[in-house]
Amino acid sequence: AQTVTQSQPEMSVQEAETVTLSCTYDTSESDYYLFWYKQPPSRQMILVIRQEAYKQQNATENRFSVNFQKAAKSFSLKISDSQLGDAAMYFCAYRSVGNKLVFGAGTILRVKS
Amino acid sequence: GAVVSQHPSWVICKSGTSVKIECRSLDFQATTMFWYRQFPKQSLMLMATSNEGSKATYEQGVEKDKFLINHASLTLSTLTVTSAHPEDSSFYICSAPREGNTEAFFGQGTRLTVV
Repeated sequence: AQTVTQSQPEMSVQEAETVTLSCTYDTSESDYYLFWYKQPPSRQMILVIRQEAYKQQNATENRFSVNFQKAAKSFSLKISDSQLGDAAMYFCAYRSVGNKLVFGAGTILRVKS
Repeated sequence: GAVVSQHPSWVICKSGTSVKIECRSLDFQATTMFWYRQFPKQSLMLMATSNEGSKATYEQGVEKDKFLINHASLTLSTLTVTSAHPEDSSFYICSAPREGNTEAFFGQGTRLTVV
């Protein structure tokens, strides 16, 4: 079974600074997808960024980028120029070909002004 | 983007009663929907996979007679918490993958409180 590990229960970052959230996963599959979801206090799940395992290039979405290391099974999220609105719980998730999502434990991100 | 609507957003019920939560895909057909449960400041735990026209697939440890899932149409899945008890109080979220999309789309979630 696939597992996703987020080793940072909480992280803090100063506004306008950069922060990196860690995620590792375990799988025997070669074809899969990885995601970072944001869950603000409203608890609505919001997709931040996705990465297809077959793509070597790291995904980027504006201020959000990932460092995808397939061999190391690592998938970290970098948030640049952090904003107050980035404060939320962030979940790393793995999706196999069967569509089922497996989530990590989550990281609470606090942004200080 | 695709929209998944979940209703109600919150509900309070008495212990022993049943509560139904609806999950609708508004602009696409979903042959599969997923139901998750989330406790405060914890992760989303998959409860079951809802399959249109067939029985749901439950994760290990989830009581299928307690959490009844029905997926009668391509746009609607329902989760019924039967004979609810205070320990069933939680946040329940549904999601649906859209064919051709790599991402899953989530409902707004339902906060269930059993008193």
